[in-house]
Amino acid sequence: EVQLLESGEGLEQPGGSLRLSCAASGFTFSSYAMSWVRQAPGKGLEWVSTIGGSGGSTYYADSVKGRFTISRDNSKNTLYLQMNSLRAEDTAVYLCAKHSGSTAYYGIDYWGQGTLVTVSS
Amino acid sequence: AIQMTQSPSSLSASVGDRVTITCRASQGIRNDLGWYQQKPGKAPKLLIYAASSLQSGVPSRFSGSGSGTDFTLTISSLQPEDFATYFCLQDYDSPFTFGPGTKVDIK
Repeated sequence: EVQLLESGEGLEQPGGSLRLSCAASGFTFSSYAMSWVRQAPGKGLEWVSTIGGSGGSTYYADSVKGRFTISRDNSKNTLYLQMNSLRAEDTAVYLCAKHSGSTAYYGIDYWGQGTLVTVSS
Repeated sequence: AIQMTQSPSSLSASVGDRVTITCRASQGIRNDLGWYQQKPGKAPKLLIYAASSLQSGVPSRFSGSGSGTDFTLTISSLQPEDFATYFCLQDYDSPFTFGPGTKVDIK
């Protein structure tokens, strides 16, 4: 059974940093691209970033480019999102998602439940 | 970026009703579209991939159709467990974009 468990929930001040993790199980982690998607309170879903199975390809939304870094440790079956220079508009539930293939252009087939990031002074 | 619109934004229906939800892309996306169901506090669940393929384990009352810019999710006979929010996602091109969602509630 595929399981994706996010962690790193927290309250951070504007300008601060936070790192999210997503522990994956139930599949061969290195064979699949992974993404982060967020949902601000009362808003729709927004794609944040994707990383290929090998970690060699990364993609970012313009809203986070230069501030967020996606990475993965295939030996630990874990996905990360390093978030720097946080802004109030980054406040959201962040969900980890698995793609159905090794590149970003395979659709998402499994999701985690998410972890809440709040940016406020 | 490809914009995804979705209609209706909400609907009220009864158990047994046929429900149709539409997503439209601002440009052609072949069949690179998925449909998902989300319930409050739960992880989204994939229902349909590649516009019309039923994900394993998903009841056959769910179906998808369309290609290019116009896509449809149909629930042939609404069941109590189907009251939820449904959204589409295009994976044709980055940035990947979502429809704003359709909330299906009980009439």
